[in-house]
Amino acid sequence: KAGVTQTPRYLIKTRGQQVTLSCSPISGHRSVSWYQQTPGQGLQFLFEYFSETQRNKGNFPGRFSGRQFSNSRSEMNVSTLELGDSALYLCASRLKQPYGYTFGSGTRLTVV
Amino acid sequence: DQQVKQNSPSLSVQEGRISILNCDYTNSMFDYFLWYKKYPAEGPTFLISISSIKDKNEDGRFTVFLNKSAKHLSLHIVPSQPGDSAVYFCAASASNSGGSNYKLTFGKGTLLTVNP
Repeated sequence: KAGVTQTPRYLIKTRGQQVTLSCSPISGHRSVSWYQQTPGQGLQFLFEYFSETQRNKGNFPGRFSGRQFSNSRSEMNVSTLELGDSALYLCASRLKQPYGYTFGSGTRLTVV
Repeated sequence: DQQVKQNSPSLSVQEGRISILNCDYTNSMFDYFLWYKKYPAEGPTFLISISSIKDKNEDGRFTVFLNKSAKHLSLHIVPSQPGDSAVYFCAASASNSGGSNYKLTFGKGTLLTVNP
């Protein structure tokens, strides 16, 4: 059974640009969440999607957005990149509550 | 406001001994707790979880204890192995908080080093 797949694994962008990250959940999982990991702040919740609907959003500016498609695949977008957006972005999926999420390996974004 | 706290950034133990990782939380609405393990350049891997209706859950070498009155949980690894060396994250969720029940709130992690 394939795990959660995130693409690309690594990305370098310039300040002011925008970026789109992709996540394919485990087959059959309809809930997808995104987290940002930085050395200082740890893992912080960005948003969660279920059946193409955003159910919850973390405390991030509007530059961070996401969506989920009918096949449960999800994308997140960050516009007008800032240096502080450099982080590991993790996608996770789960079958249903209250079970734990399965995480992908993440996309390492570096903003220069 | 950090609702889940792992006060020890690092822990070092000898192979074969017990590793005890601690986690405190402040939000009394949290009712489901999880531990994840993370190696560098990989995503977190789910280890073990516990519901607030229990005070202990075991899975092989891993046991999680929950003390609701103290808002404290701990992960015991016995015996510790060098392959257990990783960052361990404690996470919590609240099932009865409307939209909040879909997210995990993580601690900042504890780096466990198991020495051979």
